[in-house]
Amino acid sequence: DAGVTQSPTHLIKTRGQQVTLRCSPKSGHDTVSWYQQALGQGPQFIFQYYEEEERQRGNFPDRFSGHQFPNYSSELNVNALLLGDSALYLCASSLGSGGPQSETQYFGPGTRLLVL
Amino acid sequence: AQSVTQLGSHVSVSEGALVLLRCNYSSSVPPYLFWYVQYPNQGLQLLLKYTSAATLVKGINGFEAEFKKSETSFHLTKPSAHMSDAAEYFCAVSGGAGGFKTIFGAGTRLFVKA
Repeated sequence: DAGVTQSPTHLIKTRGQQVTLRCSPKSGHDTVSWYQQALGQGPQFIFQYYEEEERQRGNFPDRFSGHQFPNYSSELNVNALLLGDSALYLCASSLGSGGPQSETQYFGPGTRLLVL
Repeated sequence: AQSVTQLGSHVSVSEGALVLLRCNYSSSVPPYLFWYVQYPNQGLQLLLKYTSAATLVKGINGFEAEFKKSETSFHLTKPSAHMSDAAEYFCAVSGGAGGFKTIFGAGTRLFVKA
């Protein structure tokens, strides 16, 4: 049983560019959450997708957008990259149809983004 | 608003010694509480979670945590540290006014000395 997978593992971009990160959830999971983890900090919630819609959003600007596909996989898009967007981006999957707030989230290994 | 405070960004213990990582939370309603571990260049792995059942929660790798509502604490302990426990540990809270999002603390790096 494959766990949560993310691609790519590493990415280097320059300021102003756009980036797309991808996530495949654990088998059987229907909910995907995205987090940004800056160096030396805890993960910060970006948004959560359930049934192909953004269910909740954290304090991130509109430059951060996402999508969930019918197979529950998800993309995170970041436009107009800033130096401060350099971070590890983590995807987590869970079952959202039950008690989502207490459901265990399974994390992928992350995508490390460096903006120069 | 919900928040999580982890006391001590770094904790160092000797192998075989007690591990105690401190976490205090702020929540207007009974929350769901979690401890995660992160090894270098990896994602987060759930150690244990509190979901309003037993206040003493046992997790993987010999870790446990006790929910104390009066102290708004959820400290993580392990009776005897092993070298393989060296990692970053995150306390997190979800539920209540926070909705579906999970809020993480800043993390505590655990060092284990031989």
